[in-house]
Amino acid sequence: SQQGEEDPQALSIQEGENATMNCSYKTSINNLQWYRQNSGRGLVHLILIRSNEREKHSGRLRVTLDTSKKSSSLLITASRAADTASYFCATDRNTGGFKTIFGAGTRLFVKA
Amino acid sequence: EPEVTQTPSHQVTQMGQEVILRCVPISNHLYFYWYRQILGQKVEFLVSFYNNEISEKSEIFDDQFSVERPDGSNFTLKIRSTKLEDSAMYFCARLTGFYGYTFGSGTRLTVV
Repeated sequence: SQQGEEDPQALSIQEGENATMNCSYKTSINNLQWYRQNSGRGLVHLILIRSNEREKHSGRLRVTLDTSKKSSSLLITASRAADTASYFCATDRNTGGFKTIFGAGTRLFVKA
Repeated sequence: EPEVTQTPSHQVTQMGQEVILRCVPISNHLYFYWYRQILGQKVEFLVSFYNNEISEKSEIFDDQFSVERPDGSNFTLKIRSTKLEDSAMYFCARLTGFYGYTFGSGTRLTVV
């Protein structure tokens, strides 16, 4: 399978609930990033976690990284309708150009 | 103000025509990337460009594709003879700090 696979593929929750998305990858990484994409728009960088970090917070976002399991999770707390978007994890290996490989994304729908 | 501007935002072209997609990073950076995203699918790496040379390219980036930085500022992706399957969003990105990326808002290419 591809580097950077998110699950679930789609997630529908009520406003105020927490949303958890997971990402698994195959090879060793330098870092893992999460991006957000509103429908038909560009990618917005949310958070980066380095391979020597286990957890990182940014506002309502919490990212964890388990390099032994080659997995990461993105938690959005107290979700809002405006959080509706696709969320992608992306991994970086040092290939001389820091090529970033994206997963297929999780489509999050937050119902008001 | 976006740090990476892409033009045009949407381009419709006939199959077999050449298209040039442009990316204008505001700051003077050395690492640039092109990614594409077919509608509803994952973001795919095309090519990385470092110091005015191709650093790495994917199997998607065949002889129909080329990149250059003709005036030291604009960063272009050219598709020589477009095919229907080239229809996608094309994103330019630059490296931001340590391993993060700033993406442009994308060019939606429609080949008819």
